[in-house]
Amino acid sequence: QMQLQESGPGLVKPSGTLSLTCAVSGDSISSSSNWWSWVRQPPGKGLEWIGEIFHSGATNYNPSLKSRVTISVDKSKNQFSLKLNSVTAADTAVYYCASRPFYFDYWGQGTLVTVSS
Amino acid sequence: ETVLTQSPATLSLSPGERATLSCRASQSVNNYLAWYQQKPGQAPRLLIYDASNRAAGIPDRFSGSGSGTDFTLTISSLEPEDFAVYYCQQRRNWPPLTFGGGTKVEIK
Repeated sequence: QMQLQESGPGLVKPSGTLSLTCAVSGDSISSSSNWWSWVRQPPGKGLEWIGEIFHSGATNYNPSLKSRVTISVDKSKNQFSLKLNSVTAADTAVYYCASRPFYFDYWGQGTLVTVSS
Repeated sequence: ETVLTQSPATLSLSPGERATLSCRASQSVNNYLAWYQQKPGQAPRLLIYDASNRAAGIPDRFSGSGSGTDFTLTISSLEPEDFAVYYCQQRRNWPPLTFGGGTKVEIK
């Protein structure tokens, strides 16, 4: 059974960079046919897909965030990461990592990131 | 970008009643649509994929239908644990993957 676990700072200053990591267990990123995604959910609101990466390093990003987002993979640690720069209060959300061959079968439990000074 | 519009925003029903949730796409997604259930403080859970296929372990009171631009999630008889928020999501026209705004099924 695959498990995903997000980690990273819960508080980021405005104009700073949000950095999160998702540790994967129960599957190998290197050999998996899954895409590894980030999805966020502002408090009380709906879900927004941020982007994803394949083990080859291929990425897809949401055009609305593309200029600020980088998703990378560390196969040696079996984890993938999100960097979102130039953050504002509008980036305050629960951030989930998730995996899909086609749809999101597995999710992390989510981590709340607040953007505030 | 394919916009998914869910209706109604809130559905107030009693346990045992039938729930019918709608998801409309701004352009055809063929049958590449999924439904998720989310309870407070939890990650979403995949219920239905490819419009009408139940994911592993999902009870048969949940069913999905539709193709093209109009889709429906039906819960045949609401159990107490079914009161939650439901989201649709498409993968036909990607990137970006998009979600609907959600329908909250609440206890009447």
